[in-house]
Amino acid sequence: DQQVKQNSPSLSVQEGRISILNCDYTNSMFDYFLWYKKYPAEGPTFLISISSIKDKNEDGRFTVFLNKSAKHLSLHIVPSQPGDSAVYFCAAIHRMDSSYKLIFGSGTRLLVRP
Amino acid sequence: SQTIHQWPATLVQPVGSPLSLECTVEGTSNPNLYWYRQAAGRGLQLLFYSVGIGQISSEVPQNLSASRPQDRQFILSSKKLLLSDSGFYLCAWSFPDGAAQHFGDGTRLSIL
Repeated sequence: DQQVKQNSPSLSVQEGRISILNCDYTNSMFDYFLWYKKYPAEGPTFLISISSIKDKNEDGRFTVFLNKSAKHLSLHIVPSQPGDSAVYFCAAIHRMDSSYKLIFGSGTRLLVRP
Repeated sequence: SQTIHQWPATLVQPVGSPLSLECTVEGTSNPNLYWYRQAAGRGLQLLFYSVGIGQISSEVPQNLSASRPQDRQFILSSKKLLLSDSGFYLCAWSFPDGAAQHFGDGTRLSIL
């Protein structure tokens, strides 16, 4: 049972346009969400996060939106650049005893065309 | 600043052979440490996590084990590898009270 879903395995966008990556979750107890970016043969890199007390968080070209009632979040990249081409993972926080468990989606491969 | 090192980058092992993957973190004390596996076309699955020396929590039953012999060292092991153990293994760390996890570059493990 996938608690975090990224239903689009791939996305292709023209350079300079907006990229919108979507993520849905099922557990209403999740209260913190993160986006990671991953290049081939490298580990994921933390990109941006959002707490459930907010509905938007912005960092430069990256903005994450959270819709708690729909259990949906999205990552907007604008303007998109060829260097943004990578796999993007959405993750939700599940709080454990003394730590946090990240539950990841299956990822969306973004291709930004020059 | 903190860094995480994971090795080897790639590994080819025969079925039934042992495994030892090592991960070390520098620049912080008492980090939380994690081992993940990424199967092809799937997200990252948490295998083990540790909040201190000698403490290991296992998330899924499997052919693997983990150990934390030192504060900033995390080891993933197996006595006898199976074909199904092939995959991309990632080590990660976080601050004790932090939610964001930071990943190493991973080990691509192929079992023949």
